Amino acid sequence: GAVVSQHPSWVICKSGTSVKIECRSLDFQATTMFWYRQFPKQSLMLMATSNEGSKATYEQGVEKDKFLINHASLTLSTLTVTSAHPEDSSFYICSAAKGLENFNEQFFGPGTRLTVL
Amino acid sequence: GNSVTQMEGPVTLSEEAFLTINCTYTATGYPSLFWYVQYPGEGLQLLLKATKADDKGSNKGFEATYRKETTSFHLEKGSVQVSDSAVYFCALSEGTGGSYIPTFGRGTSLIVHP
Repeated sequence: GAVVSQHPSWVICKSGTSVKIECRSLDFQATTMFWYRQFPKQSLMLMATSNEGSKATYEQGVEKDKFLINHASLTLSTLTVTSAHPEDSSFYICSAAKGLENFNEQFFGPGTRLTVL
Repeated sequence: GNSVTQMEGPVTLSEEAFLTINCTYTATGYPSLFWYVQYPGEGLQLLLKATKADDKGSNKGFEATYRKETTSFHLEKGSVQVSDSAVYFCALSEGTGGSYIPTFGRGTSLIVHP
């Protein structure tokens, strides 16, 4: 299989605090991990792409100083929302790619619901 | 650039009706095509995929055929169930220089009534 987990599944925090979300590939090594943000009834917006051991590549319009991504190993990537504000409330989803030639297939985590008060 | 266009929802059907959700794409190369399903409050789950032209992906009664000539990957199911109610995303993925460039459609909500 190819299982991706996220932790926590939901978090409520006060405005101004920082929140860390973990994304783990449980039974495979992920060459690439992706972080998405999803607003209610909308599609996924790709925030950034990260490869193990290198800096993340952020999509246009995504503040890299606000959304810190660390991809320390082939099985773990973290997203830290720094100084969170209510407008950061969203559903954050990570995915991981095995990197098998041309499959280009991603395996998604269950998502993390962030609510900033 | 790459893009994926899905029919707008919601799509509302009665149980056992036939389902079609249209999806067309534009891509610079030869992408792999996917359908993902998202149940309320959950992440995306891969429903089916096709990696080259004329491939047919199928799973749980759903099917989609990679049509290069019409750049389409329409999702079909012969008889839907209430449990199929979810949001369905068409997506493509194209590797360039060893990296993946995922592109998703906006999603189509399916509501199936008993």
